Amino acid sequence: RKEVEQDPGPFNVPEGATVAFNCTYSNSASQSFFWYRQDCRKEPKLLMSVYSSGNEDGRFTAQLNRASQYISLLIRDSKLSDSATYLCVVSGYSTLTFGKGTMLLVSP
Amino acid sequence: GAGVSQSPSNKVTEKGKDVELRCDPISGHTALYWYRQSLGQGLEFLIYFQGNSAPDKSGLPSDRFSAERTGGSVSTLTIQRTQQEDSAVYLCASSLAASGRSGNIQYFGAGTRLSVL
Repeated sequence: RKEVEQDPGPFNVPEGATVAFNCTYSNSASQSFFWYRQDCRKEPKLLMSVYSSGNEDGRFTAQLNRASQYISLLIRDSKLSDSATYLCVVSGYSTLTFGKGTMLLVSP
Repeated sequence: GAGVSQSPSNKVTEKGKDVELRCDPISGHTALYWYRQSLGQGLEFLIYFQGNSAPDKSGLPSDRFSAERTGGSVSTLTIQRTQQEDSAVYLCASSLAASGRSGNIQYFGAGTRLSVL
């Protein structure tokens, strides 16, 4: 099993749609979880941390299920500017392990 | 404050030449990471520094790759005798402390795009 697995997509959605991504991870000892966003030909940037109780930041909601070892990201009211690759990130022993990302394309 | 700075932003070299890539982390960040990202692929971990020492070099793909960090700040990634398969974007990230157990957020530089002809 890969350390962090994500559906590569692409997810094609119209503006205003709600879209959800899931990610599974293999290291049950992981303590910290994040979603990063990477625009085409740019560096990854932190979107949000993921907390055990779930957390929301505007149109973005992240959830963590430790028992099933998966993380989710929900984007409501999608904007054109949300088009990017979303990377699921999990802490390991000394560093972070990045998933390969899920591509989102939002169309007018 | 300045973010993570990488130079050069682009590097074109001939097969067999050596290249040096530089990373200047955010001031005060003790941990520094190098990754490689080939076109359309995910991030590939190369090496991690805590201060000037490298506790985890497990991702370096061959002995042609080496890295050092001096003064707990700037790091240099050196690729000797470059091959065409080394062509990729090399990304550097830094965090306040090691990102493992503490989950410290990593901040990335804009990367160096390396093309080996």
